[in-house]
Amino acid sequence: DAGVTQSPTHLIKTRGQQVTLRCSPKSGHDTVSWYQQALGQGPQFIFQYYEEEERQRGNFPDRFSGHQFPNYSSELNVNALLLGDSALYLCASSFIGTHDFFSTNEKLFFGSGTQLSVL
Amino acid sequence: AQKITQTQPGMFVQEKEAVTLDCTYDTSDPSYGLFWYKQPSSGEMIFLIYQGSYDQQNATEGRYSLNFQKARKSANLVISASQLGDSAMYFCAMREGLKGSARQLTFGSGTQLTVLP
Repeated sequence: DAGVTQSPTHLIKTRGQQVTLRCSPKSGHDTVSWYQQALGQGPQFIFQYYEEEERQRGNFPDRFSGHQFPNYSSELNVNALLLGDSALYLCASSFIGTHDFFSTNEKLFFGSGTQLSVL
Repeated sequence: AQKITQTQPGMFVQEKEAVTLDCTYDTSDPSYGLFWYKQPSSGEMIFLIYQGSYDQQNATEGRYSLNFQKARKSANLVISASQLGDSAMYFCAMREGLKGSARQLTFGSGTQLTVLP
């Protein structure tokens, strides 16, 4: 049973460029959340996708956007990269189902992340 | 104010000893959940233990237990019989509001635990 997979594992970009990160959730999961983890800090919530829609968003500018596909996989796009965007980007998946958006499932499963370096 | 505070940037423990990692939280919501995650150098966040705000008993998961003191707003992680493989970064996190993974998690800054042979 594959867990959460993210690609690529490492990425180097220059300021002003655009980047796309990819995430495949754990089998059976339907919800994907993205977190940014700067060096020496805890992860910060970027946004969450469920049923191909952005459901919640943290305090991140519009340069950060995302998408969820019918197979539940997700992409995180960052435009006009800044040096401060250098971080580990973590994807987390969970299962909500169709009964109630706020289910009682508490456990998030995380991938190993994509390390983005902006030069 | 910080929602999750971890005051120990680094901790050392001798193998087979117990260690306590501190976490205090701040919320006005009566419904919340507290989590501990382990992050080894590979980067993956590994779920360790969960405590709900209405849970009467402290949570336990194998060698991990959560010392939940609601009035003090603390949720310390206790690792018994430390092993070399426990060396990692440990994060305390909180979910505010009703149960459900749809809610975002707020993480602390972490504690780097090193287990000495």
